[in-house]
Amino acid sequence: DTGVSQDPRHKITKRGQNVTFRCDPISEHNRLYWYRQTLGQGPEFLTYFQNEAQLEKSRLLSDRFSAERPKGSFSTLEIQRTEQGDSAMYLCASSLLGAGEAFGSGTRLTVV
Amino acid sequence: AQSVTQLGSHVSVSEGALVLLRCNYSSSVPPYLFWYVQYPNQGLQLLLKYTTGATLVKGINGFEAEFKKSETSFHLTKPSAHMSDAAEYFCAVSANTGTASKLTFGTGTRLQVTL
Repeated sequence: DTGVSQDPRHKITKRGQNVTFRCDPISEHNRLYWYRQTLGQGPEFLTYFQNEAQLEKSRLLSDRFSAERPKGSFSTLEIQRTEQGDSAMYLCASSLLGAGEAFGSGTRLTVV
Repeated sequence: AQSVTQLGSHVSVSEGALVLLRCNYSSSVPPYLFWYVQYPNQGLQLLLKYTTGATLVKGINGFEAEFKKSETSFHLTKPSAHMSDAAEYFCAVSANTGTASKLTFGTGTRLQVTL
């Protein structure tokens, strides 16, 4: 068990570019979550999957954001046409039912 | 709907002193409650959680928290602070619906430990 892994750790992109982040959950965990954390704030829920099904999406997840979890394993979060307001830490977490979530180290996105 | 209020965005204690970080929650259903710690440029590490049963919960690194339903509180304590405890601490709540669901976090409390 190597924990939740996120790639890349840091991403700097120009405004208007598309970016994609990857999350590899703990292997036996069936739930996978994405959160966004801006400076000085707690993480905010974006979306979660149970196995390959995306069960809930936050209103924070605009049409420019899309998340997938093919085959119920790793997940990707794509942001299209990035804006400066998208700059944040994107955190992935995974869990078994009722277990509490294990978080990855996050991907820090900077949009310039 | 659920929410968390963490009283005090910054708390400073001397090394060896009691640590008390306050958390109050609001939930329309029985809650699961969590405390996480975050070190700079890192993800969140689970310190402890309350689901059901015993209301005094012991976690890692000597931390504990007590669920008080009447006060809607879940304060985090540690008898003796260590320099390595300096970090950001987040309280979180999720719905106790028999399965885990998304976490709603407070805005965090930054703990400073001084010599």
